[in-house]
Amino acid sequence: QSALTQPASVSGSPGQSITISCTGTSSDVGGYDYVSWYQHHPGKAPKLIISDVSNRPSEISYRFSGSKSGNTASLTISGLQAEDEADYYCSSYTNRGTQVFGSGTKVTVL
Amino acid sequence: QVQLVQSGAEVKKPGASVKVSCKTSGYTFGAYYIHWVRQAPGQGLEWMGIINPSGGSTTYAQKFQGRVTMTRDTSTSTVYMELSTLISDDMALYYCARSRQGRGGMDFWGQGTSVNVSS
Repeated sequence: QSALTQPASVSGSPGQSITISCTGTSSDVGGYDYVSWYQHHPGKAPKLIISDVSNRPSEISYRFSGSKSGNTASLTISGLQAEDEADYYCSSYTNRGTQVFGSGTKVTVL
Repeated sequence: QVQLVQSGAEVKKPGASVKVSCKTSGYTFGAYYIHWVRQAPGQGLEWMGIINPSGGSTTYAQKFQGRVTMTRDTSTSTVYMELSTLISDDMALYYCARSRQGRGGMDFWGQGTSVNVSS
């Protein structure tokens, strides 16, 4: 199972909105509404920020939102803040009963 | 509070096996699946497999089939991941993480266990 495709890096200025894409196939992203997004700061455990394509845990800021169209899922961060600088990973359930992560995107706040 | 506490760092020689533990607390052990995820230096997250602590059933990523074994001990609410025939590419930080559904997002993670493979 190949990793889902994400852009290597995305950047934005404070207050701006950015979107990270996550492209898979009909065997994973396109076939199921089980896409999750994780924020990962170096040296810390990853943190779940979106599950089931667009569900945000109660403790996660409203500035994070998720969506999906076809084989591509997206994470949007609005009102970008310095603390949002981190690595972001998508993951999806697959038709083999497994999960697969995306390649990861480094978000830089300019 | 929910906690997943992993065993300490390991140093292994190529060809050896490593067994990492993940002791859970603060929730009903059998109600959440446990995943194992690893991150090699400079690389992204890689899903290795999942165990259902309730019945012990497992699903492994194809890449690790035949080399990984996930087990659980219900008496101590602990899950184990054993990886055999280690090679240098297995050098990574290994995480356990739980999810309510096997298909869903992982909402709590262990602190990670470093595995160093060196001759």
